[in-house]
Amino acid sequence: DTEVTQTPKHLVMGMTNKKSLKCEQHMGHRAMYWYKQKAKKPPELMFVYSYEKLSINESVPSRFSPECPNSSLLNLHLHALQPEDSALYLCASSHRVLADGGQYFGPGTRLLVL
Amino acid sequence: GQQVMQIPQYQHVQEGEDFTTYCNSSTTLSNIQWYKQRPGGHPVFLIQLVKSGEVKKQKRLTFQFGEAKKNSSLHITATQTTDVGTYFCAARLYNNNDMRFGAGTRLTVKP
Repeated sequence: DTEVTQTPKHLVMGMTNKKSLKCEQHMGHRAMYWYKQKAKKPPELMFVYSYEKLSINESVPSRFSPECPNSSLLNLHLHALQPEDSALYLCASSHRVLADGGQYFGPGTRLLVL
Repeated sequence: GQQVMQIPQYQHVQEGEDFTTYCNSSTTLSNIQWYKQRPGGHPVFLIQLVKSGEVKKQKRLTFQFGEAKKNSSLHITATQTTDVGTYFCAARLYNNNDMRFGAGTRLTVKP
């Protein structure tokens, strides 16, 4: 299984809502990532988990809260988002953070904040 | 902070023409990766380059890493309509856990 799955595919939420994005991989990868991608822009790194521990937080606002319950799962909890947070949220995984080899990306969650 | 400059931003070619995108860094890189993102899709890993002067080929795609490990290129020979998409380089600095994506080059191919 070389897939990274993400749910939901699409999400519309109000600024007062609380929602969660989910990501799963069964490739035995020990590094998992959250990226944010705006239209016609490159992916921007948000968080990196290495062996289920947060290793990088790229100064992301606290309204985004990551969680890694186990080595296969990665969540992104959303609360009190702003319209400018609307974007494609991509999850990715790799063997290890500094290991050779690329990142496998999921299909993403398209988020619209109203 | 560290930036990875990627050019051109856009490239429109006739089917059968060649295409090249370039990435440049002001500092030495540990490695560089290339990804392709189709319209409406997600980035797909193509290749990683690690060694100085490294050249790798995948069918019509040729990837190069500069001798100083500060620049890289992706060249597509005889483009096809299936090559349409945005090509990103992603670079990792030495002693750094994260990667920085270039701005991407959007390739369109006219049949």
